[in-house]
Amino acid sequence: GQQLNQSPQSMFIQEGEDVSMNCTSSSIFNTWLWYKQEPGEGPVLLIALYKAGELTSNGRLTAQFGITRKDSFLNISASIPSDVGIYFCAGTNTGNQFYFGTGTSLTVIP
Amino acid sequence: NAGVTQTPKFQVLKTGQSMTLQCAQDMNHNSMYWYRQDPGMGLRLIYYSASEGTTDKGEVPNGYNVSRLNKREFSLRLESAAPSQTSVYFCASKVHRVTDYEQYFGPGTRLTVT
Repeated sequence: GQQLNQSPQSMFIQEGEDVSMNCTSSSIFNTWLWYKQEPGEGPVLLIALYKAGELTSNGRLTAQFGITRKDSFLNISASIPSDVGIYFCAGTNTGNQFYFGTGTSLTVIP
Repeated sequence: NAGVTQTPKFQVLKTGQSMTLQCAQDMNHNSMYWYRQDPGMGLRLIYYSASEGTTDKGEVPNGYNVSRLNKREFSLRLESAAPSQTSVYFCASKVHRVTDYEQYFGPGTRLTVT
């Protein structure tokens, strides 16, 4: 199956710091998505990207669709304690088969 | 609106036992999905139903069966549970539009097979 690798696996940062994480795939996707999962909950969609090179923001979150269509990046600016969770990338070409990354666990230290 | 609901929340099975995980959504979505989540592996698609009356295999369908009972409900059945099926199972739904990719997830079912 498709393999999506995320890095870093985990991050421990001070409140107020910026965060960067990325996701790489062995295959091309025509849509990239970023989700956040909090403990005991299902993932929640943060940002969707539809075009290679696209840069999209949602509040303090900014995501980019890599020009090779094999990678995507997520930045969080000025982190706050409620940013804690696991961030997943996902890719799809059909809108029904979604492939998820391995996740980046974020801990924010107040 | 409750969104996507899953029952049970927790379950312990012995190897060889069978069970059905239930999922229901009240958002009038056409498409529904079953995923499993294992540590360090992200979510993997087991089966999906693009619309009422259709089901298709995902990435890891072996050992599972599904039923799209109606537009609201999509169940996942383990006929003979194995320890390798110990996982957290998530159901999700979304509208069936080519340009709409937002899946809404349920809270998950934590299954342990001993």
